[in-house]
Amino acid sequence: GENVEQHPSTLSVQEGDSAVIKCTYSDSASNYFPWYKQELGKRPQLIIDIRSNVGEKKDQRIAVTLNKTAKHFSLHITETQPEDSAVYFCAASEAGYSSASKIIFGSGTRLSIRP
Amino acid sequence: DAGVTQSPTHLIKTRGQQVTLRCSPKSGHDTVSWYQQALGQGPQFIFQYYEEEERQRGNFPDRFSGHQFPNYSSELNVNALLLGDSALYLCASSLTTGDRVTQYFGPGTRLLVL
Repeated sequence: GENVEQHPSTLSVQEGDSAVIKCTYSDSASNYFPWYKQELGKRPQLIIDIRSNVGEKKDQRIAVTLNKTAKHFSLHITETQPEDSAVYFCAASEAGYSSASKIIFGSGTRLSIRP
Repeated sequence: DAGVTQSPTHLIKTRGQQVTLRCSPKSGHDTVSWYQQALGQGPQFIFQYYEEEERQRGNFPDRFSGHQFPNYSSELNVNALLLGDSALYLCASSLTTGDRVTQYFGPGTRLLVL
């Protein structure tokens, strides 16, 4: 069945350094890949997304890359700050004009930024 | 512009009871999806409602059922509660037009089954 694997499960980086989270997906029909940030006790918040017709997307300190052939996608956070500490989820979805858009989530990465 | 809202915020039930959770989508959104998030895990898709019908369903038993109303709000019902149903239940809304599939999550309902 559909599956999204995410690693590492925990990640600790020094403030100012970069953090990378990697995911793989199994469903070849997936064409939309959102990333969510979830702080303790809060709802998941969409931070960036990428569609299958794009290989890379950047938004300030955050960038995502997608390798459709290998079914890999990654989140890169540069110049990390204390407020980046949270759990990050990658996800995959098959989105289209007539198909449902259920989202399959990875298991999450707990990112801690050391001062 | 109101975001996605859910009620109640917290709920305590005992095994065997039934529960109803409610969700109001973001203004202008017509599609509601429900997810279950167990502690320390990623959200798991339960089902999605569009035009008052269940459009797609995840791997959840029939004890989980739902409904969507003409104003696009939705309910999630869980019958015969089990201890394992304890989780954060998230509602997400989106607009079904073309490839605009961005889903916005509500704050969730935390359900504890004793």
